[in-house]
Amino acid sequence: DAGVIQSPRHEVTEMGQEVTLRCKPISGHNSLFWYRQTMMRGLELLIYFNNNVPIDDSGMPEDRFSAKMPNASFSTLKIQPSEPRDSAVYFCASSLGRGEAFFGQGTRLTVV
Amino acid sequence: QQQVKQSPQSLIVQKGGISIINCAYENTAFDYFPWYQQFPGKGPALLIAIRPDVSEKKEGRFTISFNKSAKQFSLHIMDSQPGDSATYFCAASMDNQKVTFGTGTKLQVIP
Repeated sequence: DAGVIQSPRHEVTEMGQEVTLRCKPISGHNSLFWYRQTMMRGLELLIYFNNNVPIDDSGMPEDRFSAKMPNASFSTLKIQPSEPRDSAVYFCASSLGRGEAFFGQGTRLTVV
Repeated sequence: QQQVKQSPQSLIVQKGGISIINCAYENTAFDYFPWYQQFPGKGPALLIAIRPDVSEKKEGRFTISFNKSAKQFSLHIMDSQPGDSATYFCAASMDNQKVTFGTGTKLQVIP
């Protein structure tokens, strides 16, 4: 298995633009997580899905952030409009529900 | 609310020494305590994990010590090597629930 696949690896965009981050979880995993990592705030859980259903989105910072999981093999995290303070590394992770999260390589987002 | 508290924030250890990272949790419903290792430019990777029914788990040079009554657990890296230099995160979770991470410890092992 190739592991959790995220795209793009790097994204540079202008303030106000829409940004879409993509994730393909490990086949067979039933939980998917979106995390944001910054120096100041560390690893923050934004949202997680169980069996494609959003379970907890309390970490989503604002209405500008939205996440979808239309099927078991794909999820997106969208920021619209983007702001400079959204600059961070965004990680997607998947799990079989036993607490072992397998992380992707991350997307480094820079909003200028 | 920080449910998993981790210390120290950074740690410098001589090659061959013991690295010790400590964590404390609040929610007694947690039943799985993994440690993750993250190298620069990479995502965190599961290193070792423990369940609260045991007090210690060892895998190679890495050992988790668990104190259920104190709600504390720690990672010990024996014979620390420069290749161990990374950021380490403790975490806690319940079945089918989100993984809650500590704030991370940046370990530097110097030759």
